[in-house]
Amino acid sequence: KAGVTQTPRYLIKTRGQQVTLSCSPISGHRSVSWYQQTPGQGLQFLFEYFSETQRNKGNFPGRFSGRQFSNSRSEMNVSTLELGDSALYLCASSLDPGQPNEKLFFGSGTQLSVL
Amino acid sequence: GNSVTQMEGPVTLSEEAFLTINCTYTATGYPSLFWYVQYPGEGLQLLLKATKADDKGSNKGFEATYRKETTSFHLEKGSVQVSDSAVYFCALSSRTGANNLFFGTGTRLTVIP
Repeated sequence: KAGVTQTPRYLIKTRGQQVTLSCSPISGHRSVSWYQQTPGQGLQFLFEYFSETQRNKGNFPGRFSGRQFSNSRSEMNVSTLELGDSALYLCASSLDPGQPNEKLFFGSGTQLSVL
Repeated sequence: GNSVTQMEGPVTLSEEAFLTINCTYTATGYPSLFWYVQYPGEGLQLLLKATKADDKGSNKGFEATYRKETTSFHLEKGSVQVSDSAVYFCALSSRTGANNLFFGTGTRLTVIP
């Protein structure tokens, strides 16, 4: 069974540009969450999608957005990139976030560098 | 609010040494607690979890006990191996089943032969 797949693995952008990251969850998983990992702030929750609806959102500016498609694949978009957006962006999937023993499966991440 | 305070690293141990990584938390209600591990170049993997007070999570020789009275979830292993070298993250979920996890800053463990 394939794991969580994130593309691309590495990305280099310049300030002011926008970027789209993709995440394919494990087959059958309907929940996708996104996290930002930086050396200074650690791991921070961005948002979570379930059945194409955003269920929960972290404390990030509106430049960060996401969506989920009917096949549960998800994309996140960052507009007007800033140097501080350089980070490893991790995607995680699970079957159903409402279950008490639900387990998150993480992808290897997309390393975004903003120059 | 919700937060996790984790022992600063890095930690370097010799093979077969005893490991403790401290983790304390602040949360409203009754959170679920987790330890995740991140090996070089990989995403996070769930190591163990506990969903209520006095529960003990265990996996691959690692253990952690949910202590409500001390708001702690310390990770322990009796005898570490070189293959345990990784970054360990303590995390909490404020709602059962929620995927909005609050993570500690991570502790890098290096085990030398």
